Amino acid sequence: EAGVAQSPRYKIIEKRQSVAFWCNPISGHATLYWYQQILGQGPKLLIQFQNNGVVDDSQLPKDRFSAERLKGVDSTLKIQPAKLEDSAVYLCASSLSTDEKLFFGSGTQLSVL
Amino acid sequence: SQKIEQNSEALNIQEGKTATLTCNYTNYSPAYLQWYRQDPGRGPVFLLLIRENEKEKRKERLKVTFDTTLKQSLFHITASQPADSATYLCALGKGAGRALTFGSGTRLQVQP
Repeated sequence: EAGVAQSPRYKIIEKRQSVAFWCNPISGHATLYWYQQILGQGPKLLIQFQNNGVVDDSQLPKDRFSAERLKGVDSTLKIQPAKLEDSAVYLCASSLSTDEKLFFGSGTQLSVL
Repeated sequence: SQKIEQNSEALNIQEGKTATLTCNYTNYSPAYLQWYRQDPGRGPVFLLLIRENEKEKRKERLKVTFDTTLKQSLFHITASQPADSATYLCALGKGAGRALTFGSGTRLQVQP
């Protein structure tokens, strides 16, 4: 079975620029998550979708981050404008339903200069 | 505030020995706990899930214990191998559809 696909793999931008990340979850997985992982730390939840509805975005910096999951499948996470502290790996994960194990993509490593 | 603590220092052990990793939490009432393995440049990979009413779970060389009184989970790898070298993350779930909260992970290095 195909895993969670993410692109791009790496991205380097300058502060105040914008960037977008894409995620394609495992087919049939209703729940999709975006996590931010700063070097040396564990993943931190940014947003959780159930189908195409938002379940939890309490930790998403909404002044600069936005995410959508159109048609309950693919998802896009956007940062505009980026700050230096946004340098991190952005991980997308999906699960069959809530309270299940997560399947992660390989992540997008973002460097903001 | 809620806190999940894992040893920030790397754990170095000899091949063949048992590795024991600790996950402690405070101000949290998890319905279940999960352990993940993460290799450099990769996303975490699920290993085991243990629920609040379970004391112990095993899978091949892996064993997880969950003590809700001590607010602690222990993760054991028996007969460790150099291929087990990775960072291990514990994650707590409150249930009711809430997302997992991850600890910062412990890096395990198994020496041949």
